[in-house]
Amino acid sequence: SAVISQKPSRDICQRGTSLTIQCQVDSQVTMMFWYRQQPGQSLTLIATANQGSEATYESGFVIDKFPISRPNLTFSTLTVSNMSPEDSSIYLCSVDTLGRTEAFFGQGTRLTVV
Amino acid sequence: GQSLEQPSEVTAVEGAIVQINCTYQTSGFYGLSWYQQHDGGAPTFLSYNALDGLEETGRFSSFLSRSDSYGYLLLQELQMKDSASYFCAVRARPSGGYQKVTFGIGTKLQVIP
Repeated sequence: SAVISQKPSRDICQRGTSLTIQCQVDSQVTMMFWYRQQPGQSLTLIATANQGSEATYESGFVIDKFPISRPNLTFSTLTVSNMSPEDSSIYLCSVDTLGRTEAFFGQGTRLTVV
Repeated sequence: GQSLEQPSEVTAVEGAIVQINCTYQTSGFYGLSWYQQHDGGAPTFLSYNALDGLEETGRFSSFLSRSDSYGYLLLQELQMKDSASYFCAVRARPSGGYQKVTFGIGTKLQVIP
């Protein structure tokens, strides 16, 4: 299994500012994913981050708004830029290892933009 | 693209059995997963089916029919603590992309005494 430390766990931010969310894994993993989840809703994949290459973004998400870093095999960051109230959501990082069928999740970052 | 369908809500009595169905459409299919999420918590893995048939893990079982693009999660001997949201999720590699997991809308299960 993989243990994921995600921080901050929650934050309240002013509109127009940016927040960087960190995701630290206790073992080396190939693929890291960033999801967004509105309360009571499903998880929507924002992007896939592989070490050594640029993140791959899903339809509706762009790098300027959600820049991602993946400097090594145990760490990634997601920045929510120029925030608006519509960005209020729970952001989750997830890790995956080739050959495994289970995805592991961090505890999430509950973001409120005011 | 990819799509999944599952019921939004299910209510069942403690001690009973409940089945949550999931149908999907995708290319590059690898398998179907199920995740449980309690309010305020992170999703946790329950099961994974890559081949047709039934997989049993304690009180939970999961079934897959690849030809029908259909699966279900079966929960037996329901307990109050089983009240949570249950997500089916497709693991797939759409052409030209990375392998990724796409989630359904989630089924909110309420277990009542």
